[in-house]
Amino acid sequence: SQQGEEDPQALSIQEGENATMNCSYKTSINNLQWYRQNSGRGLVHLILIRSNEREKHSGRLRVTLDTSKKSSSLLITASRAADTASYFCATDAGGTSYGKLTFGQGTILTVHP
Amino acid sequence: DAGVIQSPRHEVTEMGQEVTLRCKPISGHNSLFWYRQTMMRGLELLIYFNNNVPIDDSGMPEDRFSAKMPNASFSTLKIQPSEPRDSAVYFCASSPFRGSDNEQFFGPGTRLTVL
Repeated sequence: SQQGEEDPQALSIQEGENATMNCSYKTSINNLQWYRQNSGRGLVHLILIRSNEREKHSGRLRVTLDTSKKSSSLLITASRAADTASYFCATDAGGTSYGKLTFGQGTILTVHP
Repeated sequence: DAGVIQSPRHEVTEMGQEVTLRCKPISGHNSLFWYRQTMMRGLELLIYFNNNVPIDDSGMPEDRFSAKMPNASFSTLKIQPSEPRDSAVYFCASSPFRGSDNEQFFGPGTRLTVL
């Protein structure tokens, strides 16, 4: 079963609006990461948040983590057409996993110009 | 740095043929991961290596799949014999594995079509 599950599965917004994607997971984690995948390309790392952090920012990205609820959210502010992509959360269980990540099914974001 | 390099980018083959996918990780990274992505099953981890040693191959679907990492700069994923249901995009990723922050860097993928 998937460790990370994104919600919604698909999101369609207008340019300039904010986009929020959620991720839930089941087991304890060392960190949680968000990745973007443009159509036909490999995944690109966006941001990492450690289990002892609650919020992190990177440019127009804001990530929150609630370990008590085992959930995370990714907020993209002032979206652009170029943000159109699939977004995945991935969890690192730590320990002897050697950085193994478990990916969710992803959220497909479409930003209309 | 050129990033993770995968070859070939596209492969079309007939059922029963042997397929070999290749990956060159980012220099200095000591963890390497092979994934498969399909519409139905999403992104699946097949196998990963740390310091060239296979750590977990539980995601390898069957004995037809094998992976090797003979040195720190090269890995292969082999399918023999290939079947139509193996059609997918196969990604290789590498990571520096610093113990706590382990972002992965993905290659462009190999799109495999088995007829």
